[in-house]
Amino acid sequence: EDQVTQSPEALRLQEGESSSLNCSYTVSGLRGLFWYRQDPGKGPEFLFTLYSAGEEKEKERLKATLTKKESFLHITAPKPEDSATYLCAVQGAAGNKLTFGGGTRVLVKP
Amino acid sequence: DGGITQSPKYLFRKEGQNVTLSCEQNLNHDAMYWYRQDPGQGLRLIYYSQIVNDFQKGDIAEGYSVSREKKESFPLTVTSAQKNPTAFYLCASSLESIDTQYFGPGTRLTVL
Repeated sequence: EDQVTQSPEALRLQEGESSSLNCSYTVSGLRGLFWYRQDPGKGPEFLFTLYSAGEEKEKERLKATLTKKESFLHITAPKPEDSATYLCAVQGAAGNKLTFGGGTRVLVKP
Repeated sequence: DGGITQSPKYLFRKEGQNVTLSCEQNLNHDAMYWYRQDPGQGLRLIYYSQIVNDFQKGDIAEGYSVSREKKESFPLTVTSAQKNPTAFYLCASSLESIDTQYFGPGTRLTVL
């Protein structure tokens, strides 16, 4: 059974204080690892897909990396508008479902 | 504008009633999904459909039913058999089942 664990559960940052979120996973035959951002009361917004170990993707202040056992979402010099819950999910060999972690709630204070 | 719409945004239901949540997409995606989100928990898959007139149970299908009569639409019915239906329901779609899933804005269901 595919499993995803995200840590920490919550993260409080000062504006400009860089940090990293962790997503540890076990999956049979990784097809893709996905990062989403979710604001309160809204649907998840797609950020990145990573397919193989060593792959990295960037978007503005966010950078996602992937190893064979975990993924990191690095937030560089965050701003208050980066406050959100960040969700990690994996898609295994069956390819027809995503398994999600519990998410990391990020609060960036000005 | 292409996207996924869900309605209503908020829904209140009395115990013993069935309710239907709407999900429509104009992205020309073949695959559609329903997830449930509870506080402090990850999203859990209820049902998915890879093609019109076909759908499969996800991890927590008991007490729910779906139909896929049109490519654009994938309504979810929460039946009275669902013991704890209060939750945030999310619909998603992808070009094919192995592709990135994109989510709608969600429907918050509350049982009174």
